Parts: sequence; structure tokens; C-alpha cells
Amino acid sequence: QQQVKQSPQSLIVQKGGISIINCAYENTAFDYFPWYQQFPGKGPALLIAIRPDVSEKKEGRFTISFNKSAKQFSLHIMDSQPGDSATYFCAAGNTGKLIFGQGTTLQVKP
Amino acid sequence: DAGVIQSPRHEVTEMGQEVTLRCKPISGHDYLFWYRQTMMRGLELLIYFNNNVPIDDSGMPEDRFSAKMPNASFSTLKIQPSEPRDSAVYFCASTIGQYNTEAFFGQGTRLTVV
Repeated sequence: QQQVKQSPQSLIVQKGGISIINCAYENTAFDYFPWYQQFPGKGPALLIAIRPDVSEKKEGRFTISFNKSAKQFSLHIMDSQPGDSATYFCAAGNTGKLIFGQGTTLQVKP
Repeated sequence: DAGVIQSPRHEVTEMGQEVTLRCKPISGHDYLFWYRQTMMRGLELLIYFNNNVPIDDSGMPEDRFSAKMPNASFSTLKIQPSEPRDSAVYFCASTIGQYNTEAFFGQGTRLTVV
């Protein structure tokens, strides 16, 4: 019940395209849903986060869509750039800790 | 602030040896988390502390793993004895407040047990 399932495992997108990564959770007690971005050799860094009282949050080219009834949320990267190539993790927060998804490796081809 | 500092960055050790990983959280942060990252299992939470007190260690894989936080500016994760399956990247992260604030990660320690 503490799991967060993320898909796809890897994604290849052309420059300028839209990248979409999906996550699903089971525990309805989760109330904080961040996305982290990780470059090789670095630790994950917060990209964008949402709370369940809103259905969408946008920051620049990055948008989180949240569906509370379906217990799903997704990250959309508009106008994807080669510099966006990284590993992306969704996570869900509850009672003091974050549970991370398995990660998605995104490659944006020039 | 220099961010979360972990040492060493890389560690290669022989099976059966003791390994100690170190973490200095960001000053003023009251939560500290230890994560392990592998290709197979992704990012797993091992243990976390609040105000130097261990709160949840349910993610610690077995008794060979132990973690301490003797003061607000230092934490260790110890593996004794180490095994090849412990090979992974270990991350430390810190936050102000609980899980619903930004977690700042260190650069990680890549552990290889041969």
C-alpha cells in the first residue's frame, strides 16, 4: 500500500515534443506529490510538487496533472529540450516520509 | 550553505568489511533521510531522523545496517559486514519540517562491495 508505481521506465522524445510520465499510488493518506529530476552523478533535485486539493500545477514547461479519484498523477514536459535528458522520479508523501517511484529515464533527441 | 555533504563519494570494499557512510545535513534542517538507489529497486527509504531521533527504520534491510545521528550536523550509515548485494548509491537528504517540503539531496556515495 506504500508503493508508488511509475511508467514508463524509459522514454525517448524528439526535441520540441511532449514528454509524459505517469505515476499511480494506492494509499489515500498520501497528501504531497513531488517530482524530482536527477542528472548522472548527482542527487535528485525537486522539480515541481502538487497537493491533492488542486488538479493541475504548471511551472514553466513543466505541468503536474493530478487525478485524486483515480489515484494517479503525471508530469508533462512541454517543448522538451536535450537539456531535459535526465531521470525523473515521482514521489508521494505521508507521515514524515517520501516514497519514490522507480524512475523514468528520459532522452530528448536533438 | 554548501548543501548536503556526503563522504566518501566512492567506496570500494571487500565483502565482510565494515563500511561507514557520512552525511552533513544543511544547517537548520531538522529531518534527515537515508536512501539507497539501485537499478532494480529505484530509490528506497532506509531510515529517517527528526531532531536527531530515529523515527522510522522500517526500510533498513537487515541487522547489518545501522544508522546514527549523534548531533544535528552529522549522521552515519554503517554496514557490517558488507556484502556484494549492498552495492548501490546511498543518498542522504535533509528538510525543514516534514515530508511535504523540499528535500535536499547530497551527491551520494557510490558503494561497491567486491
